[in-house]
Amino acid sequence: GNSVTQMEGPVTLSEEAFLTINCTYTATGYPSLFWYVQYPGEGLQLLLKATKADDKGSNKGFEATYRKETTSFHLEKGSVQVSDSAVYFCASTYSSASKIIFGSGTRLSIRP
Amino acid sequence: GAGVSQTPSNKVTEKGKYVELRCDPISGHTALYWYRQSLGQGPEFLIYFQGTGAADDSGLPNDRFFAVRPEGSVSTLKIQRTERGDSAVYLCASSPLTGGKVTGELFFGEGSRLTVL
Repeated sequence: GNSVTQMEGPVTLSEEAFLTINCTYTATGYPSLFWYVQYPGEGLQLLLKATKADDKGSNKGFEATYRKETTSFHLEKGSVQVSDSAVYFCASTYSSASKIIFGSGTRLSIRP
Repeated sequence: GAGVSQTPSNKVTEKGKYVELRCDPISGHTALYWYRQSLGQGPEFLIYFQGTGAADDSGLPNDRFFAVRPEGSVSTLKIQRTERGDSAVYLCASSPLTGGKVTGELFFGEGSRLTVL
């Protein structure tokens, strides 16, 4: 069945550094792909999504491109801020499309 | 202006007891999901409702777990004969449908933390 594998954390960076968090998926068909974020003390919320190959999702300076040839959806940001410290989850729709499965999460900490 | 509301926020119970966790979704959201999240892990899918019916319950771990959504709004996750391994945060999420299809944009509640002693 479908699965999502993401880079293990924790990841610690200095402010203004470049961020990449890797995510790969296995799927039958063409799933939709998502990044969710959980800020300290808050619930999970959608950060960005892409629904077909070569689509780029973007929000709050973060971007991710749906790469069918490498089955990847890596999250990037050019210059991170302390306020980006959170846990990031990559997710995918499952074959039925109604089920959404999550990776194990990557904790990101940004030093001032 | 409500988001998804889950009660209780914390529940401590003894092994073997029965537990109910409630989810009040965003008004008008047809789709409702339950997930379970253990420490350091991602959310694990349990069940998905579209309206009143369980469209996919493939993630329920065994027959001690059951969920209902009788009027297509509030949902209750029921766990019988709780075990220590059931300890986790139980997350509820709701989602609007677009053109009758799942969008994948889930709006999560803050979860119910269940501890089984």
